[in-house]
Amino acid sequence: AQKITQTQPGMFVQEKEAVTLDCTYDTSDPSYGLFWYKQPSSGEMIFLIYQGSYDQQNATEGRYSLNFQKARKSANLVISASQLGDSAMYFCAMREPSSAGNMLTFGGGTRLMVKP
Amino acid sequence: KAGVTQTPRYLIKTRGQQVTLSCSPISGHRSVSWYQQTPGQGLQFLFEYFSETQRNKGNFPGRFSGRQFSNSRSEMNVSTLELGDSALYLCASSLAVAVDTDTQYFGPGTRLTVL
Repeated sequence: AQKITQTQPGMFVQEKEAVTLDCTYDTSDPSYGLFWYKQPSSGEMIFLIYQGSYDQQNATEGRYSLNFQKARKSANLVISASQLGDSAMYFCAMREPSSAGNMLTFGGGTRLMVKP
Repeated sequence: KAGVTQTPRYLIKTRGQQVTLSCSPISGHRSVSWYQQTPGQGLQFLFEYFSETQRNKGNFPGRFSGRQFSNSRSEMNVSTLELGDSALYLCASSLAVAVDTDTQYFGPGTRLTVL
């Protein structure tokens, strides 16, 4: 079974508008971490934001915020005021403590295209 | 502070050959993880090294191996290359101080093409 599901293979957004990228996850661990990474065409994975399963507040980092709904097992990324440079692949990932060490499980990704 | 560096950035090999990829983590980071990214399988975890020991391993054949040196630099080796090994290989490092909040930072990747 898929542990991380990103249902939007591709999305368009108008420059300066907000966009939400969906991510649902599946785990039986009570303690886990959720991450979002951005991958431009150059290939490097850029860390955007982290949400811990016990965090009471939704995480925010500049224009990025994470809409964490624990009961629904969703961790959607919200990008406010989209910029042309936001065009990239976006990956949601999860780390479960039941897996020893630092292993991340990734979703299939969403390709975001920002229109001028 | 310098980011994660990977060498070489591009590599072309032929089937049956072997290849070694190198990763230098962010200064002070003790954990190094490797991932394979292909269009068909997406991002898959290969293995993680911490304090020169393999801490976790993904579901890959024994042709894939790695090691970590005392300065935390890591190498991964793929022997008897197959066409399906063509991929972007990403290395990530982390502090590995607090598991719950540990964040992995990725390098630019090595793009391997097997002919």
